[in-house]
Formats: sequence, C-alpha cells, structure tokens
Amino acid sequence: DAGVIQSPRHEVTEMGQEVTLRCKPISGHNSLFWYRQTMMRGLELLIYFNNNVPIDDSGMPEDRFSAKMPNASFSTLKIQPSEPRDSAVYFCASSSTDPYNEQFFGPGTRLTVL
Amino acid sequence: KNQVEQSPQSLIILEGKNCTLQCNYTVSPFSNLRWYKQDTGRGPVSLTIMTFSENTKSNGRYTATLDADTKQSSLHITASQLSDSASYICVVTPGNFGNEKLTFGTGTRLTIIP
Repeated sequence: DAGVIQSPRHEVTEMGQEVTLRCKPISGHNSLFWYRQTMMRGLELLIYFNNNVPIDDSGMPEDRFSAKMPNASFSTLKIQPSEPRDSAVYFCASSSTDPYNEQFFGPGTRLTVL
Repeated sequence: KNQVEQSPQSLIILEGKNCTLQCNYTVSPFSNLRWYKQDTGRGPVSLTIMTFSENTKSNGRYTATLDADTKQSSLHITASQLSDSASYICVVTPGNFGNEKLTFGTGTRLTIIP
C-alpha cells in the first residue's frame, strides 16, 4: 500500500488566492482527518470524516476553510481567500475501525502564504 | 481543558547514549496513549500505543511506560542512533471518544550528534 497520499507537497501563494489541498486515504480506511501543524500550536485537528460524512468541523478556523470528501478515496481542503497566518503544514490522516484505531499520516503539504 | 505537556522541549545527546522523554496529561477519562515519531518534513509515525491497563510497551530500542495514576508517560530510547533525530509527540485518546479527538502534545525535538 502506498500509504496516505497528499498533494501538492509544497505550495507558495499570495494572500487572497484560493488554495486547494488534496488527500487520498489508505484504501479500506473509513475515517479521514485533516490536521494543521505549526511551531507554536503543534498539531491541531481541523475536521474529520467518517464514511465520507463530515462528523466534526469544530476545529476549522473560520469560514475561509472548507473540506469535502466526495468519495472514499479522495478529500480536499480549500482555503479561500488565503492569508499569511494560514502558513503551516497541513496533514491528512486516515484510519480503519481496528481496535486501536491507529491513524496513518500522509507526508503533509507545506503551505506558505505571502 | 484536556492537555498533554511534554518535556523537555528539545534535547541534544551524543550518539550511543540513552535518553528519556516525558509526557504529562490531564485527559480524563483516558483510553490510550501513543508516542509518535516525526522526522523532519514527514508525517508522524506511530511508535507505541498503550491502554490504561498497560504499564510498558517496547518497540526495538524504544520503550514507553505509563502510570495512569499519576497521568505520566515516558519514552526511553536506548543506544541512540543518528536516525533517532526527530520530534517525538505524545498523543492521548480520551475515553469517551474514539480516535477522533486525539489530544497532541507539542513534542520534544531530539537531536543526536556523532
């Protein structure tokens, strides 16, 4: 298995532009998570899906952030309009319903908003 | 508020030496505790996972301990290698949720020098 796949790996954009991050979870996993990581705050859960349905988006910073999961093998996180304070590494993770529910993380997307 | 605090924030040791990283948590009720290793530029990877009834868990040169009474955990690394240079993150799963509400520590940055 290729693991969780994220694209792009790096994104540099200007303030005000739309940014779309993409994630392909591990095949067979039914939960998908979007995280943001910064030096100051560490890893923060933004939103998670179970069986393609958003369950909890209370971690989404504001209306500029939105996430979708149109099918079991694909999810997007969109920021519109982007701001410099959105600069961070965004991770996608997926898990199955095994007893320990271990989450497997993707390599992350490093976003820089100028 | 559920919190996970790690110490030290950073640590530098010589190759071949042992070290111990600390994690204190206030998450209650408690389901399980995990230690993740995060290499620079990559996503976190699980090292160990312990339920509240387990006291110790080993994974090669990594040994995690858990004291559920004092809400403390430690990760001991034996005979350190240059490849152990990474951030180590303590993660706690609350007992009244699945893995969806993981509480992350901010990590300990470990550097092994030759």
